[in-house]
Amino acid sequence: QSVLTQPPSTSGTPGQRVTISCSGSRSNIGINTVSWYLQLPGTAPKLLIYNNNQRPSGVPDRFSGSKSGTSASLAISGLQSEDEADYYCAAWDDSLNGRWVFGGGTKLTVL
Amino acid sequence: EVQLVQSGAEVKKPGESLRISCTGSGYSFTSYWITWVRQMPGKGLEWMGRIDPKDSWTNYSPSFQGHVTISVDKSTSTAFLQWSSLRASDTAIYYCAKRSGPHRRWYFDLWGRGTLVIVSS
Repeated sequence: QSVLTQPPSTSGTPGQRVTISCSGSRSNIGINTVSWYLQLPGTAPKLLIYNNNQRPSGVPDRFSGSKSGTSASLAISGLQSEDEADYYCAAWDDSLNGRWVFGGGTKLTVL
Repeated sequence: EVQLVQSGAEVKKPGESLRISCTGSGYSFTSYWITWVRQMPGKGLEWMGRIDPKDSWTNYSPSFQGHVTISVDKSTSTAFLQWSSLRASDTAIYYCAKRSGPHRRWYFDLWGRGTLVIVSS
């Protein structure tokens, strides 16, 4: 069971806006920043959002992140078929001498 | 080009030893921690541990402590993940990733392509 909680799956139609939640606790999301990773089928994860809401260069502004308290969210607007992938949230956790924790991943299906 | 290049797929038997590698290029290798992440078949990402290439200081997840060893060779800008005795449950893809960002605002901005490890008798 993952330390960060994400819904296992979500779906949307092209053009729609979807959000993916990530719930944690004070020792991780509560006091550290959240990053999001996109994993297309058969490929390595790729950084999508860092520092809660910052996009690396090359990531479309259709992707946005937010954080409030011990939860974070990833929003994808103008959904496209190529957005179909697995999405993971991650944060540093100050418990147990420090560790990285990931969400269990959310499979996004574009209908 | 900034990249992490991982070693190729491995097929091993239970009880055998293994070391896989992750070579960084295009950036100052000793300036950024390297993390190893496991992804079992059809499952999510699990943090295994990290190493500071500058001084080889390591920190492991309790789930992997004692079963794997992370090391680094600064002269070749390479990080390693090794097992002394593999189990069938070690079958997975292993990713290395470069940690960036200021204190408490860390993130993984660069990932290797992954090394598939299959452990089967």
